[in-house]
Amino acid sequence: GQNIDQPTEMTATEGAIVQINCTYQTSGFNGLFWYQQHAGEAPTFLSYNVLDGLEEKGRFSSFLSRSKGYSYLLLKELQMKDSASYLCAVFDSNYQLIWGAGTKLIIKP
Amino acid sequence: SQTIHQWPATLVQPVGSPLSLECTVEGTSNPNLYWYRQAAGRGLQLLFYSVGIGQISSEVPQNLSASRPQDRQFILSSKKLLLSDSGFYLCAWSVLPGHGTGELFFGEGSRLTVL
Repeated sequence: GQNIDQPTEMTATEGAIVQINCTYQTSGFNGLFWYQQHAGEAPTFLSYNVLDGLEEKGRFSSFLSRSKGYSYLLLKELQMKDSASYLCAVFDSNYQLIWGAGTKLIIKP
Repeated sequence: SQTIHQWPATLVQPVGSPLSLECTVEGTSNPNLYWYRQAAGRGLQLLFYSVGIGQISSEVPQNLSASRPQDRQFILSSKKLLLSDSGFYLCAWSVLPGHGTGELFFGEGSRLTVL
């Protein structure tokens, strides 16, 4: 079966750095997405990785290793507004999007 | 620019009543359209997707149905709601993979409570 694993919940301090990991086992790979979802709202797109390496976008960076079936989302200079769930999703060989259950990130002052 | 809207935002329905959620996309043609459901604290479950008018693929057996009467309109329906239908329903659109990254753009969501 196809599966995406990410931690259920993480806690970090305002101003710090946090890394949210995602591992996947899918039938093929055509790209990996990270989405941010605030409580009660729809997910919004953060990043897309299809090649190995690091993609940086402001305070957020996303890393991919296809050989390891692994990605992480790195959030720097954490702000209270970063408190949200972070969803990892992978396109399989048929471009079906497989979703992780999400990581709830709690930011403390 | 492209926009997506879905409505209603919130609804409370009795068991056995019908349901209709509507979603429209503006600013793009022939989008892929999706209906997802998200139970509290859970991931996204794909219910239906459509690659064109009248073309609907169902991912899970249930008492829900979807229709795409126009290119940029996607409707989720039920004739008789069950308690288990409660959840947060999300409509989304994307371009065809290969024509972009294939990222999903979500509507605002519809929170359904079945009592």
